[in-house]
Amino acid sequence: AQTVTQSQPEMSVQEAETVTLSCTYDTSESDYYLFWYKQPPSRQMILVIRQEAYKQQNATENRFSVNFQKAAKSFSLKISDSQLGDAAMYFCAYRSPLYNTDKLIFGTGTRLQVFP
Amino acid sequence: DVKVTQSSRYLVKRTGEKVFLECVQDMDHENMFWYRQDPGLGLRLIYFSYDVKMKEKGDIPEGYSVSREKKERFSLILESASTNQTSMYLCASSLIGGNTGELFFGEGSRLTVL
Repeated sequence: AQTVTQSQPEMSVQEAETVTLSCTYDTSESDYYLFWYKQPPSRQMILVIRQEAYKQQNATENRFSVNFQKAAKSFSLKISDSQLGDAAMYFCAYRSPLYNTDKLIFGTGTRLQVFP
Repeated sequence: DVKVTQSSRYLVKRTGEKVFLECVQDMDHENMFWYRQDPGLGLRLIYFSYDVKMKEKGDIPEGYSVSREKKERFSLILESASTNQTSMYLCASSLIGGNTGELFFGEGSRLTVL
């Protein structure tokens, strides 16, 4: 069975600085999808960024980028120029290609604090 | 804008009560999900549904059931609530053939069982 591990329960960053959130996963599949979701306090969780395992290029969405290391099964999220609005719980998630139902396996989350 | 609405943000129930958590989406999505979120455990899938009247167990279905009589509505039922079901419950939906893995979440229902 696939597993997703986030080893940093909490992280903090100063506004305008860069922070990296870690995620590792375990799978025997060769093709899959990885995601970072953001859950702001008392608000809906939203998708931040998606990576398809067969693509070698790291995904980027504005200030958010990933470092996808397939051999190491590592999928970290880098937030550049951190803003106060980036403060949230961040969840790493895995999707097997075997399902058509978007059934995701989530990690335990990292709470990010942003200080002015 | 896509919208997933959970009927109650906060509920307080007593042990043994039957609890209904309702979720409605207005995006004509085929897939709907119920997750449970607990500190240190992340999100765990309780049940999901890929079509009306279709449901599949997730990783922690014990003590829960679901109902999907209409495409837009997915209900989570706790037949006899217990204190260990105190948690945040998140509903989500997604479109088959849409952006793979993009789930749209509701704001959550925080349930306390006394």
